[in-house]
Amino acid sequence: EAGVTQFPSHSVIEKGQTVTLRCDPISGHDNLYWYRRVMGKEIKFLLHFVKESKQDESGMPNNRFLAERTGGTYSTLKVQPAELEDSGVYFCASRSGNGNTIYFGEGSWLTVV
Amino acid sequence: EDQVTQSPEALRLQEGESSSLNCSYTVSGLRGLFWYRQDPGKGPEFLFTLYSAGEEKEKERLKATLTKKESFLHITAPKPEDSATYLCAVQAMEYGNKLVFGAGTILRVKS
Repeated sequence: EAGVTQFPSHSVIEKGQTVTLRCDPISGHDNLYWYRRVMGKEIKFLLHFVKESKQDESGMPNNRFLAERTGGTYSTLKVQPAELEDSGVYFCASRSGNGNTIYFGEGSWLTVV
Repeated sequence: EDQVTQSPEALRLQEGESSSLNCSYTVSGLRGLFWYRQDPGKGPEFLFTLYSAGEEKEKERLKATLTKKESFLHITAPKPEDSATYLCAVQAMEYGNKLVFGAGTILRVKS
């Protein structure tokens, strides 16, 4: 069974540009999470989807970040316009509706220059 | 105030030298405490979930225990392949479904 997959694995963009990260959760997992780790900090929660609905978006840093999960399958996280402080690793995770284990993807490494 | 604190920040062991990593937490209404292993350039890999004080879980050379204030990850006779960053995260009533992570402990095991 495939795990959580993320694309791209690495991205380097200039300040002011737009980047879209994609996450495919484990098949059948209704719960999808986005987390990120910026340099020198702990992994921090961004938001949580249950199917296509945003359950909790309290960790989204500002309105330059937009997450979607149309159809309740894959999700995208768009950063527009990107700032230097957005550099870091963005992790996607998923969990089934009747389980408590949260499985993480390999991460999307974003560098804003 | 940090809700999840891991110690030590880094630990160097000789192969076969057993030790423990600590994760202390200050959240109320703990719903679960998670241990993950993370290799460089990879995502966190799930190890254990502990739900109540007194609970213990084992996997190969790893054993996780939980009290009301902290969790320990005991590593028995470690091997070089156990080298990784070990992350602790808590899920609590006050935070809903999200995980709150500690900073991690970087473990290096030398042969």
